Amino acid sequence: EAGVAQSPRYKIIEKRQSVAFWCNPISGHATLYWYQQILGQGPKLLIQFQNNGVVDDSQLPKDRFSAERLKGVDSTLKIQPAKLEDSAVYLCASSTSLAPSGELFFGEGSRLTVL
Amino acid sequence: AQSVAQPEDQVNVAEGNPLTVKCTYSVSGNPYLFWYVQYPNRGLQFLLKYITGDNLVKGSYGFEAEFNKSQTSFHLKKPSALVSDSALYFCAVSEGATNKLIFGTGTLLAVQP
Repeated sequence: EAGVAQSPRYKIIEKRQSVAFWCNPISGHATLYWYQQILGQGPKLLIQFQNNGVVDDSQLPKDRFSAERLKGVDSTLKIQPAKLEDSAVYLCASSTSLAPSGELFFGEGSRLTVL
Repeated sequence: AQSVAQPEDQVNVAEGNPLTVKCTYSVSGNPYLFWYVQYPNRGLQFLLKYITGDNLVKGSYGFEAEFNKSQTSFHLKKPSALVSDSALYFCAVSEGATNKLIFGTGTLLAVQP
């Protein structure tokens, strides 16, 4: 079974530039999550999708971050314009349902460095 | 609001010795608790969970965790550590009856040969 795919793995940009990350979840997983993991901290949920609908985006900085999952499969996370504090690893995860099984499958992450 | 605390940034243990990685939680209702492991340059991997039932939960790679309601703790344990267990371990709690996980800051486990 293929895992969660993310790209690019690494990205370096200057502040005020834009960047986009792509995620393809495990086939059949209805729920998709984007987490931000800043160095030395635990992952923080940015947005949660159920199929192509948003379940929770309360921690997404909507003035600069946007995410979509138009066909209920793959997803993109965009940052525009980037700030220095956005330097982090962006983790995508998927799961089979919203039920609290807690078993999320994570991709390897996209590491963003903002200079 | 729900939260978890991992009081130790790093735990050092010799191979073959038992290990414990500590986690305490704060929730308003019944806790859903989880442990994840992160190897270098890899995504997080699910280890085990407690939702209800037996306080001792067994998971992957020989790990287990003990839920203690009175102490609001969910410590991760293994009877005999392996060098290959060296990794970053995260405790997490689910906010409500969803999979919205709130993670602790992580504990780096270093197992010396």
